[in-house]
Amino acid sequence: NAGVMQNPRHLVRRRGQEARLRCSPVKGHSHVYWYRQLPEEGLKFMVYLQKENIIDESGMPKERFSAEFPKEGPSILRIQQVVRGDSAAYFCASSPESDTEAFFGQGTRLTVV
Amino acid sequence: GDSVTQMEGPVTLSEEAFLTINCTYTATGYPSLFWYVQYPGEGLQLLLKATKADDKGSNKGFEATYRKETTSFHLEKGSVQVSDSAVYFCALSENSGYSTLTFGKGTMLLVSP
Repeated sequence: NAGVMQNPRHLVRRRGQEARLRCSPVKGHSHVYWYRQLPEEGLKFMVYLQKENIIDESGMPKERFSAEFPKEGPSILRIQQVVRGDSAAYFCASSPESDTEAFFGQGTRLTVV
Repeated sequence: GDSVTQMEGPVTLSEEAFLTINCTYTATGYPSLFWYVQYPGEGLQLLLKATKADDKGSNKGFEATYRKETTSFHLEKGSVQVSDSAVYFCALSENSGYSTLTFGKGTMLLVSP
């Protein structure tokens, strides 16, 4: 199965620590999207990347959050100095082109204690 | 801004019952509309879509019609199965692409034998 792989599936961090969430897109896909699902909420768009470039980060919080999609390796969503409000499920999706179906991963559930 | 409103769950049905999950939207332009499904422990999968008014999307016995006059995209299935138990998300995209989707909160469907 060569679908979108996210790891870890579950991540627990103490307040103030850093969280790194990884997303390996479907082989051959160069477009990656990150979404966040807060408790009792729908998925909210965060950022759209295309190999080494950030295309749209309009949904990213201005501070503590960053994302990258290097030429080699997975896409990384990085959250610095986590707070309890960052506890959520983070989903990654990938697509071969910008206007084609995006395939979602299983998500990473981040819990901040 | 864009928004999607779904009926709250869980929706509990017996096998072979008729299913309707309501979805209404608010958008500035002429969005494309989608239904995604998330089975337990898996990522979101595209179930069906419609890109313009009066289009009907259908897949696996599910269908939904894009109603511009009522800004709705209700999901229906004539006879549900236990295997349909999942969380269903209604979503829209302002452009023809899938990249920046706006999701509803999701509706859990539980089907009992």
